[in-house]
Amino acid sequence: GAVVSQHPSWVICKSGTSVKIECRSLDFQATTMFWYRQFPKQSLMLMATSNEGSKATYEQGVEKDKFLINHASLTLSTLTVTSAHPEDSSFYICSASTGGGWTDTQYFGPGTRLTVL
Amino acid sequence: GENVEQHPSTLSVQEGDSAVIKCTYSDSASNYFPWYKQELGKGPQLIIDIRSNVGEKKDQRIAVTLNKTAKHFSLHITETQPEDSAVYFCAAKGPGSGGSNYKLTFGKGTLLTVNP
Repeated sequence: GAVVSQHPSWVICKSGTSVKIECRSLDFQATTMFWYRQFPKQSLMLMATSNEGSKATYEQGVEKDKFLINHASLTLSTLTVTSAHPEDSSFYICSASTGGGWTDTQYFGPGTRLTVL
Repeated sequence: GENVEQHPSTLSVQEGDSAVIKCTYSDSASNYFPWYKQELGKGPQLIIDIRSNVGEKKDQRIAVTLNKTAKHFSLHITETQPEDSAVYFCAAKGPGSGGSNYKLTFGKGTLLTVNP
């Protein structure tokens, strides 16, 4: 199946700093990429959807100025957590879709564990 | 928006037994239903999916059934093995909100434990 990578796999930062997470589709072109957040023992919650070359669409309650998403190419999307605080500590997972239709398969990356001290 | 309910939240079976996880969804416009397996500390891995134009799909020990009229779908794992132990998520894809074209909504997950 299609492979999605994330970097870094884990990061620890101080409160108030910014952290950038990269998501890459390794063997396919991803028209659409998604960013999810997952707290311990909970389900995945969609944060935003990004189409290559367009502004990301954020889910209700997600601060667009805090979680900056860039999808500059068909194989790379980045999520920047600005001015991170301890409550931002979570498991961030990206996903990439092989197409733009409703029934197109979504493949997930391995996740990035963010800990804000 | 879409709401996906998943049951049970935990499931413990003996090696070799079958495991069944059930999900219901609320939006009749949803037409794509994947299942993901997530091991501790890792991202979800797609194990099987079904689209609304079929009622059943099988891949070796794993099968999924879909009843669009009743708006429910199920995952069946036969001949379970200890390495099947993980959290399983069902999901439904339908119309998104906030301007997105479509959105994958997840169930809350089922922790499957296969005892040797």
